[in-house]
Amino acid sequence: SYEVTQPPSVSVSPGQTATITCSGDKLRDQYVCWYQQKPGQSPVLVIYQDTKRPSGIPERFSGSSSGNTATLTISGTQAMDEADYYCQAWDKSTVVFGGGTKVTVL
Amino acid sequence: QVQLVQSGAEVKKPGASVKVSCKTSGNTFISYDINWVRQATGQGLQWMGWMSGDNGHTGYAQKFQGRVTITRNTSISIVYMELNSLTSEDTAVYYCATSSMGFDNWGQGTLVTVSS
Repeated sequence: SYEVTQPPSVSVSPGQTATITCSGDKLRDQYVCWYQQKPGQSPVLVIYQDTKRPSGIPERFSGSSSGNTATLTISGTQAMDEADYYCQAWDKSTVVFGGGTKVTVL
Repeated sequence: QVQLVQSGAEVKKPGASVKVSCKTSGNTFISYDINWVRQATGQGLQWMGWMSGDNGHTGYAQKFQGRVTITRNTSISIVYMELNSLTSEDTAVYYCATSSMGFDNWGQGTLVTVSS
């Protein structure tokens, strides 16, 4: 079955930039979404169609895609951004999630 | 803002079935596709299947084919997810979520515990 791969963890200092990658063989042909999930809460959509931010999502969250890798960037990371982040893509008529990346703000 | 309200926690024995509901607000019911996603404790998100808001068409992840059924009651704006032949590995939080450009709105989650 199709898989997309994320690093398990990323550490970042407050105010610095956190970068999370999502890799998959078919991503060059697929849109990627990104979700933020804090402990005990439901996931929240932070990026859709590779680069677009839903209303209410801070500008420090941005997305990009090149080849078979999509990237979520958090600029000027704040303590409140500490969470798990998941990428997601559609493969034909099914949905694939990455394994998740834990972002720790040190 | 779309609101999704799920049914309460369930405890089931191995081999049993569970049916989780997801009530949608307003005219959401026919405007959005509804997906089901689960998450075991400390684990990632796992997509289970979806139902089209337009026509009720369903699609399921291969992993759950034959064991999961998504249905709806249009008169009361509720979508259901039923999972059969439960094992301890099905212990998880189950979420419903609308999808348009992404999974835009999520329910609060329903904890299903499978234990003898």
